[in-house]
Amino acid sequence: GQQLNQSPQSMFIQEGEDVSMNCTSSSIFNTWLWYKQDPGEGPVLLIALYKAGELTSNGRLTAQFGITRKDSFLNISASIPSDVGIYFCAGQSLAGAGSYQLTFGKGTKLSVIP
Amino acid sequence: NAGVTQTPKFRVLKTGQSMTLLCAQDMNHEYMYWYRQDPGMGLRLIHYSVGEGTTAKGEVPDGYNVSRLKKQNFLLGLESAAPSQTSVYFCASSYSSRYTGELFFGEGSRLTVL
Repeated sequence: GQQLNQSPQSMFIQEGEDVSMNCTSSSIFNTWLWYKQDPGEGPVLLIALYKAGELTSNGRLTAQFGITRKDSFLNISASIPSDVGIYFCAGQSLAGAGSYQLTFGKGTKLSVIP
Repeated sequence: NAGVTQTPKFRVLKTGQSMTLLCAQDMNHEYMYWYRQDPGMGLRLIHYSVGEGTTAKGEVPDGYNVSRLKKQNFLLGLESAAPSQTSVYFCASSYSSRYTGELFFGEGSRLTVL
């Protein structure tokens, strides 16, 4: 099946630093999504990207849909303690007969040092 | 708005026991999903439903059964629990369109099988 390679697996950063993480695949996706999971809770959608080359921001977060449709990145600017959590990328593709398949990356665990 | 509600939040079972996890959503979503989350494995799809009365297998369906008798509810059953089913289970729902990747997750149900 389709696989997403999400990197890095974990990162420790100083408060105020910028963060960058990405997802790559050998498969083409028509939608890329980024989710954040706070400790002890379910994932929450941060950004959805629907067009190759699209660059979308949500506050301090910026995500891009790679032009090849095989990758996406997420940037967080000026990190704060509440940015701590696991960030998941997800790629969606057509699975035939009008249905869609959603594939998740294994996540990037972000720790912020005050 | 309650969104997606899972019950119970925590459960401890002995090997061989059975149980049912209940998921309820109040957003009138067509699609519903059950995922399991294990350390280092990301989110893996167990079963999903594209509408009332329909269910389908996901990536890791063995040992689980599901039912969608009402549009707002999606039940996940374990007929004979095994220690390998110790995990955190997440229910999610979404619209039935190209936006199916925009999932709304519940808070999770932590299951331990002894």
